[in-house]
Amino acid sequence: GQQLNQSPQSMFIQEGEDVSMNCTSSSIFNTWLWYKQDPGEGPVLLIALYKAGELTSNGRLTAQFGITRKDSFLNISASIPSDVGIYFCAGPLGEYNFNKFYFGSGTKLNVKP
Amino acid sequence: EPEVTQTPSHQVTQMGQEVILRCVPISNHLYFYWYRQILGQKVEFLVSFYNNEISEKSEIFDDQFSVERPDGSNFTLKIRSTKLEDSAMYFCASSDRVLAQHFGDGTRLSIL
Repeated sequence: GQQLNQSPQSMFIQEGEDVSMNCTSSSIFNTWLWYKQDPGEGPVLLIALYKAGELTSNGRLTAQFGITRKDSFLNISASIPSDVGIYFCAGPLGEYNFNKFYFGSGTKLNVKP
Repeated sequence: EPEVTQTPSHQVTQMGQEVILRCVPISNHLYFYWYRQILGQKVEFLVSFYNNEISEKSEIFDDQFSVERPDGSNFTLKIRSTKLEDSAMYFCASSDRVLAQHFGDGTRLSIL
């Protein structure tokens, strides 16, 4: 199946630090979605990106849709303990098929108070 | 805020038994999905459903799986004869547009 590669796999940061994680693919995506998953819960949509080059913010979160349409990054500024969780990128592969979504393998974020 | 609800939260079943996982999508949503997440791994797409039919399904969604929207509110996933490797979290999601999917909290399926 289609691979979405996320890096880093995990990270340990100090509260207050900024965080950056990214997602790359060998194929073109026309939409990038970023989700956060807390233990025992379902993924929660954080940011949706619909256009190459688009930069979108949601509070302390900022995400960008790469110009090549093969990558995206998510930044979290001034991290807090509740940012702990697993962050997944996801998207529908292909220009016209919006019914099948692929998820990355996730970046596990740990924040030390 | 409206939520996707899934029941049960945990299902324990003997191998070979049939299991039905239930979901109540957000009421005005039109697109419905099932995903699977094996412990410690990524979320995997199973199937999408729109207008009372399957839109797309993955290689995982073989003949043992089926989905149904039996009434205006429920969306179910049935596994006919469960295998050990079916043990996973199963997530239901729905959206009013195809992209902004809202997930339920999942059903943990344990096959013994």
